[in-house]
Amino acid sequence: ETGVTQTPRHLVMGMTNKKSLKCEQHLGHNAMYWYKQSAKKPLELMFVYNFKEQTENNSVPSRFSPECPNSSHLFLHLHTLQPEDSALYLCASSQEVNIYEQYFGPGTRLTVT
Amino acid sequence: LAKTTQPISMDSYEGQEVNITCSHNNIATNDYITWYQQFPSQGPRFIIQGYKTKVTNEVASLFIPADRKSSTLSLPRVSLSDTAVYYCLVGPFFNQAGTALIFGKGTTLSVSS
Repeated sequence: ETGVTQTPRHLVMGMTNKKSLKCEQHLGHNAMYWYKQSAKKPLELMFVYNFKEQTENNSVPSRFSPECPNSSHLFLHLHTLQPEDSALYLCASSQEVNIYEQYFGPGTRLTVT
Repeated sequence: LAKTTQPISMDSYEGQEVNITCSHNNIATNDYITWYQQFPSQGPRFIIQGYKTKVTNEVASLFIPADRKSSTLSLPRVSLSDTAVYYCLVGPFFNQAGTALIFGKGTTLSVSS
């Protein structure tokens, strides 16, 4: 247990569905991140939040919509996804933004059919 | 970012000490060395971070020689559950904004009984 939880762990959705991924950190950290990990590809940073304010959006398509209601919770709202969006979505947190010591959740394995 | 080189794979037996070395000849003055562990289909797990000499925590030790051109992650008395991929990351304490942690190929450690 890293202190970062993610739900659901697995998700299968059609291209017309709307779903949300949830992340919660119990570490008292100030920064939270969404990453995407596709098979045989490097980790891709999607969004960064610092004190619940979005500080970075790495040119992510608008079909991914993040929400950070407070420093402990992070959501990723999904709608009209494409099959190529199938991947492992990882949430992470850190005490300060953009430091190397980050704590990752177990991830959500997303399959878009 | 400094380029890192690690062995592709290592084999060990339960109860042995395992040392994984990472070469980083171009490490910059303000760079830190960070190690992560990752199991299949799970998020990376932060293990340890250091700048120079030796750092020890409840999981591992990190040895960094004076020239800092390499570092060694030491795992005492490994068990089967230590079978994973281990990544060495080198970079400044604060990562460049908009960039994800770069994990490279890592070292696959296989522990047998």
